[in-house]
Amino acid sequence: NAGVIQTPRHKVTGKGQEATLWCEPISGHSAVFWYRQTIVQGLEFLTYFRNQAPIDDSGMPKERFSAQMPNQSHSTLKIQSTQPQDSAVYLCASSLEDWGVEQYFGPGTRLTVL
Amino acid sequence: LAKTTQPPSMEAYEGQEVNVSCSHTNIATSEYIYWYRQVPHQGPQFIIQGYKDYVVNEVASLFISADRKLSTLSLPWVSLRDAAVYYCIVTDMSNNAGAKLTFGGGTRLTVRP
Repeated sequence: NAGVIQTPRHKVTGKGQEATLWCEPISGHSAVFWYRQTIVQGLEFLTYFRNQAPIDDSGMPKERFSAQMPNQSHSTLKIQSTQPQDSAVYLCASSLEDWGVEQYFGPGTRLTVL
Repeated sequence: LAKTTQPPSMEAYEGQEVNVSCSHTNIATSEYIYWYRQVPHQGPQFIIQGYKDYVVNEVASLFISADRKLSTLSLPWVSLRDAAVYYCIVTDMSNNAGAKLTFGGGTRLTVRP
């Protein structure tokens, strides 16, 4: 079991560019979560899919951020027109149960926006 | 208003037992208590969960006060590998609302050799 896989591990973009982050959940897990971690804000929930359907995106910034789960084997988080304040570690997690009691986190993607 | 309150930091020596406290004075009857920990450059890792009384697994034990307003995570015989930030999370399990984890500041545990 390779665990949750996130690619790339590090990404550097220029201000205004687009960034796409990838997550491969653990096989068989039905729920996928995205979080963001910064020194200032800590760990924040962004969005959540269950059986590929979006369930809760209450933590997603209303503009420029979008997440998709086109199939059960991967999810993407896309940030358009990146800004320096988007710099953070983006964490993906998956859980076996629909309600996500025990979430397994990936190592994260560190996004740096110059 | 934060759901949980933890000491920001703790220190211990290898081999000691460490007790990390968490206050959740407004916990609702539908809410459960979860503990995660995060070591540098990794995502958080689930440790243990509980609703009331006492829970134990191979990694840690969790004591929850009778009124459920206080929980204590106990780590026996800590090693350098236990140095991490420990997060106490209270979340509602009704109607699948518990899926979203809300992390507070956590407790940074430093372990000295």
